[in-house]
Amino acid sequence: AQTVTQSQPEMSVQEAETVTLSCTYDTSENNYYLFWYKQPPSRQMILVIRQEAYKQQNATENRFSVNFQKAAKSFSLKISDSQLGDTAMYFCAFIGGSQGNLIFGKGTKLSVKP
Amino acid sequence: EPEVTQTPSHQVTQMGQEVILRCVPISNHLYFYWYRQILGQKVEFLVSFYNNEISEKSEIFDDQFSVERPDGSNFTLKIRSTKLEDSAMYFCARDSSGANVLTFGAGSRLTVL
Repeated sequence: AQTVTQSQPEMSVQEAETVTLSCTYDTSENNYYLFWYKQPPSRQMILVIRQEAYKQQNATENRFSVNFQKAAKSFSLKISDSQLGDTAMYFCAFIGGSQGNLIFGKGTKLSVKP
Repeated sequence: EPEVTQTPSHQVTQMGQEVILRCVPISNHLYFYWYRQILGQKVEFLVSFYNNEISEKSEIFDDQFSVERPDGSNFTLKIRSTKLEDSAMYFCARDSSGANVLTFGAGSRLTVL
């Protein structure tokens, strides 16, 4: 079975600091995609970053970057220069084999403090 | 790209009633999805819809659920006889490229009393 585990239910960080959110997954697939989604209080799901498993280079989107360790099945999200607007639930998600069937972790609630 | 629009944003219904949730993606998109998030829990896949047919569904998507695209534009999720445990946020998503880049709508919050 494919699973996604986020071991940090809640985290907090000071504004302008850096924070890393953890995610591990389990799969027997060789070709898959990994994602981080942000869900602010409005509850909309917003794609933050996407990583293709066959790419060794870690994905980066402005202040957001990932540390993808395929052998360890680890996919952490680093947020640099944290901003108050980064306060949200962050979900790690995985697709392997099935078109669009995202498997989500339970989420990490991130609070950015002024 | 334009966002996915979902209606209603919030619906309250009595147990046993039928509910239809609507999603308006761009008409030339091929892949559509419904997801569900019970309050405080993780987001769960319900069903994927490709080329006007269901391509995959989860075990949650039982006989009380159905999806269709009646007019080639709106994409609907129907719950025939709602139960208390159907109370959740329902998200529609589209993938315009088939590359597993899903764009979600703002969600429809369903409350079953």
